[in-house]
Amino acid sequence: QKEVEQDPGPLSVPEGAIVSLNCTYSNSAFQYFMWYRQYSRKGPELLMYTYSSGNKEDGRFTAQVDKSSKYISLFIRDSQPSDSATYLCAMSPDSNYQLIWGAGTKLIIKP
Amino acid sequence: NAGVTQTPKFQVLKTGQSMTLQCAQDMNHEYMSWYRQDPGMGLRLIHYSVGAGITDQGEVPNGYNVSRSTTEDFPLRLLSAAPSQTSVYFCASSYSDRGLDIQYFGAGTRLSVL
Repeated sequence: QKEVEQDPGPLSVPEGAIVSLNCTYSNSAFQYFMWYRQYSRKGPELLMYTYSSGNKEDGRFTAQVDKSSKYISLFIRDSQPSDSATYLCAMSPDSNYQLIWGAGTKLIIKP
Repeated sequence: NAGVTQTPKFQVLKTGQSMTLQCAQDMNHEYMSWYRQDPGMGLRLIHYSVGAGITDQGEVPNGYNVSRSTTEDFPLRLLSAAPSQTSVYFCASSYSDRGLDIQYFGAGTRLSVL
């Protein structure tokens, strides 16, 4: 079993919809949680990061952590075709450990 | 500001050939790393460096060498290419924000080994 699991998709939704992207993990020691966006044939770019539990909002994006369920989510409101990309989650127990990456979920926003 | 620059963008090798993937950053970051990305798998760390002259192994180091003579450059060398090394390779440089490494990635090198 992988330490971090993501549904590979593709997840296809109409423009303007609310998108929910999720990762589950097995290591209860994870404290740092990150979301990266990767456009086709590009490198990943950091979207958001959170420490421990709770929500964090940045514009149309909200990151949520549920440590009791070992589950993190990224919500995208008012989705746009430009949001079409692969979304990767990454996490680690603390700053001295390397990030553990999910395989990514491919998101397609249809105009 | 170029960020992280990787060259070449594409490369085809024959089994047994060697080559060097170049990575340069202009953000004065101390921490740099190399990952490979394969379908259905997360990014896997090959090697990393915490500063000039200091390197260490990641999760999948076999078949790869690195060196770090300057803060800016972190080349990855394939010693004797194998088909299992067909992958997309990403270099990243990072800074620490309250203990968490915030990574910036290059655009990648797509490598095929025949």
